[in-house]
Amino acid sequence: GENVEQHPSTLSVQEGDSAVIKCTYSDSASNYFPWYKQELGKRPQLIIDIRSNVGEKKDQRIAVTLNKTAKHFSLHITETQPEDSAVYFCAALYNQGGKLIFGQGTELSVKP
Amino acid sequence: EADIYQTPRYLVIGTGKKITLECSQTMGHDKMYWYQQDPGMELHLIHYSYGVNSTEKGDLSSESTVSRIRTEHFPLTLESARPSHTSQYLCASSGQGGEQFFGPGTRLTVL
Repeated sequence: GENVEQHPSTLSVQEGDSAVIKCTYSDSASNYFPWYKQELGKRPQLIIDIRSNVGEKKDQRIAVTLNKTAKHFSLHITETQPEDSAVYFCAALYNQGGKLIFGQGTELSVKP
Repeated sequence: EADIYQTPRYLVIGTGKKITLECSQTMGHDKMYWYQQDPGMELHLIHYSYGVNSTEKGDLSSESTVSRIRTEHFPLTLESARPSHTSQYLCASSGQGGEQFFGPGTRLTVL
């Protein structure tokens, strides 16, 4: 069945350090993997996404890597800042149904 | 500006009342979704639609119904609200490429 596992559930880093969040998915036909950032009291915002025809994508301090063979993908945030503190969700597009399957979320805390 | 709109943003209501949460989008998207989310917790898909007159139930069992009579409009109705329905309800839409965007949410409290 469709499933996305996300780890860790909470992550605390010092300002300036890097943060890595990992997700694994079950549907080998999935070909689209977005990441969302949700600040307290706000809606989830799409911050970066990757499609299965590339292995890595970067946008300033954030990057996403994809390993289709192992069925896992990761979000990397470098030079973290307090405003990066939020809950992050990964997702995989379930091809059969055309709907996104979300991970359980990671609460990132960046300490000044 | 293209966006997703939800009304009301906050609602406090008594047990047993019928309520409808409104969602409209000007994104030009065919697909729309309703999620239930407690603050900072998992997103639970409760209903989705791939186009006019198409609706499907999601993964979370819910005593709610939806309709899709117009492409841009996807209302969610609770026939009889209960305290267990207290949560945030997020509407979303997506285009052909799969990119999904969320509305601002409705915070529902059932007393």
